[in-house]
Amino acid sequence: DVKVTQSSRYLVKRTGEKVFLECVQDMDHENMFWYRQDPGLGLRLIYFSYDVKMKEKGDIPEGYSVSREKKERFSLILESASTNQTSMYLCASSSYSSGNTIYFGEGSWLTVV
Amino acid sequence: AQSVTQPDIHITVSEGASLELRCNYSYGATPYLFWYVQSPGQGLQLLLKYFSGDTLVQGIKGFEAEFKRSQSSFNLRKPSVHWSDAAEYFCAVGAWSGGYQKVTFGTGTKLQVIP
Repeated sequence: DVKVTQSSRYLVKRTGEKVFLECVQDMDHENMFWYRQDPGLGLRLIYFSYDVKMKEKGDIPEGYSVSREKKERFSLILESASTNQTSMYLCASSSYSSGNTIYFGEGSWLTVV
Repeated sequence: AQSVTQPDIHITVSEGASLELRCNYSYGATPYLFWYVQSPGQGLQLLLKYFSGDTLVQGIKGFEAEFKRSQSSFNLRKPSVHWSDAAEYFCAVGAWSGGYQKVTFGTGTKLQVIP
């Protein structure tokens, strides 16, 4: 089975802090994604990456950056956390060879106070 | 650009009753379509997917969905709902663009099951 692991399930950070959310997948998938989930808004794509060191903006990239130095790892960075970034963050991966299905991690609940 | 609409925010059904969750998509070509389920506090689990071929797709947990191109719909069905089906359900549409995959999700339908 594909496993997508998000390093932190629950985080509480202060406004202005730099926040790192880490994600690792174990299936050699070329595509990786970061989504944000908020009630009534569904999942919104923040950034995605289709190869090492490659990244593309999604629908809501403002206030976020990403890093993909290794194929299995995709990090989401909040340079200066703000209260409106309090949310559930979901990492995911996919591959053409696995039928383009997106596999999700269990999510990271971030609260910014 | 593709988009997905799930018109029902919240649905309540009785245990044992049939279920249909609606999903409409917008995309210029033949899309690939997914249904995912999310239990509270968890990530999303794939229920089923449609890429091509038979328009009636069987998934896990007794769910099925039918792709209707003429209606741009991909509705999820289950003949008899169990209390454990209470969760949030997301429809998604995927497309290849510029050599990479982009998947867009709907806003979700929350299912409540009553005894």
